[in-house]
Amino acid sequence: AQSVTQPDIHITVSEGASLELRCNYSYGATPYLFWYVQSPGQGLQLLLKYFSGDTLVQGIKGFEAEFKRSQSSFNLRKPSVHWSDAAEYFCAVASTGGGNKLTFGTGTQLKVEL
Amino acid sequence: DAGITQSPRHKVTETGTPVTLRCHQTENHRYMYWYRQDPGHGLRLIHYSYGVKDTDKGEVSDGYSVSRSKTEDFLLTLESATSSQTSVYFCAISESSGVYEQYFGPGTRLTVT
Repeated sequence: AQSVTQPDIHITVSEGASLELRCNYSYGATPYLFWYVQSPGQGLQLLLKYFSGDTLVQGIKGFEAEFKRSQSSFNLRKPSVHWSDAAEYFCAVASTGGGNKLTFGTGTQLKVEL
Repeated sequence: DAGITQSPRHKVTETGTPVTLRCHQTENHRYMYWYRQDPGHGLRLIHYSYGVKDTDKGEVSDGYSVSRSKTEDFLLTLESATSSQTSVYFCAISESSGVYEQYFGPGTRLTVT
């Protein structure tokens, strides 16, 4: 069965610094991968997705992610973090078995220091 | 933003009472999902629907039932609420088969006392 691991529960960065959030997946075939962001008290918003093709994908709010098959990773990056990026970030992989289901990681809470 | 609303947004109920949460979409999407979000667990799928009257279980379906009588509405019922069902519940929708992006509602915070 597919699974997603986000090894960092909490990350703190200074405003203006670069950011990388880690995501490792377990999946037998070429995965469909997603990053979502959740601001406090809100639902999840889709940041970006990877289906195939170019392994570097661009998303909204200046985020990008790189798919590395050899490392089973799909890490999220941003060159310069803004205070408004403080939120929880979830990585997800499409599940097998139909239903367009997603399997989510447990999330990484990002704190931005001013 | 996808047109998804959830009601109520907050609810406090007592152990043993039935509770129904509603998800309403205006996107005419085929698939609808109910998740619960708990600290340290991320989002876990409770039930999902792939069409009117077509539903299936997710990984944490015990104690929950769902119904979908119209494309736009997906109801989640806690048959007899327990304190372990205190959680934030999210509804999500997805357009069609093979299109995996899901779009989420604002959530319902449920407290069972």
